[in-house]
Amino acid sequence: NAGVTQTPKFQVLKTGQSMTLQCAQDMNHEYMSWYRQDPGMGLRLIHYSVGAGITDQGEVPNGYNVSRSTTEDFPLRLLSAAPSQTSVYFCASSYSEAGNTIYFGEGSWLTVV
Amino acid sequence: GQNIDQPTEMTATEGAIVQINCTYQTSGFNGLFWYQQHAGEAPTFLSYNVLDGLEEKGRFSSFLSRSKGYSYLLLKELQMKDSASYLCAVRASGTYKYIFGTGTRLKVLA
Repeated sequence: NAGVTQTPKFQVLKTGQSMTLQCAQDMNHEYMSWYRQDPGMGLRLIHYSVGAGITDQGEVPNGYNVSRSTTEDFPLRLLSAAPSQTSVYFCASSYSEAGNTIYFGEGSWLTVV
Repeated sequence: GQNIDQPTEMTATEGAIVQINCTYQTSGFNGLFWYQQHAGEAPTFLSYNVLDGLEEKGRFSSFLSRSKGYSYLLLKELQMKDSASYLCAVRASGTYKYIFGTGTRLKVLA
């Protein structure tokens, strides 16, 4: 039972480069989301999706794009990496009905130099 | 606006009881969650409250008062492995967004 799978686990980027963080879940969850976690800031929501073809912005969406072409996959794209995007990124998923907890992937440590 | 407040850090002794508080202000309420996060790892689910009162799960209990916008996580018989950050999260009603507090870092001393 894989749960929520994120890749890569570690990545170093140069300023201006683009990249995609991959996220896949095998629990048939409607809801998927991306968070970033910075020291003293807690988990902040970047983008989320409530089903294939439906995405919406969270608290800190600037500089990131997402798409949801299938129920299973929810990639996060950094369009032009900036040092301010150095962070730990977590993908999460859950059933959409209230009361369901969200399950997190193992995290992706991203450094932009 | 939406806001969740937790203490930044707490210290307790092995075998003791510790209470971690969380206060929240959200536009509507559809449940409060507690997560545990060890350093370098992903958060894992501990408890869920949607109605007022106490939910008990082994050594961990969580309490909710919706009228006060207040919850606490109670950890009994502390063990060294309980040293971690504890995150409070609220799901606002009419939304799929889960809003997280900044977390409380708990250190358990021998």
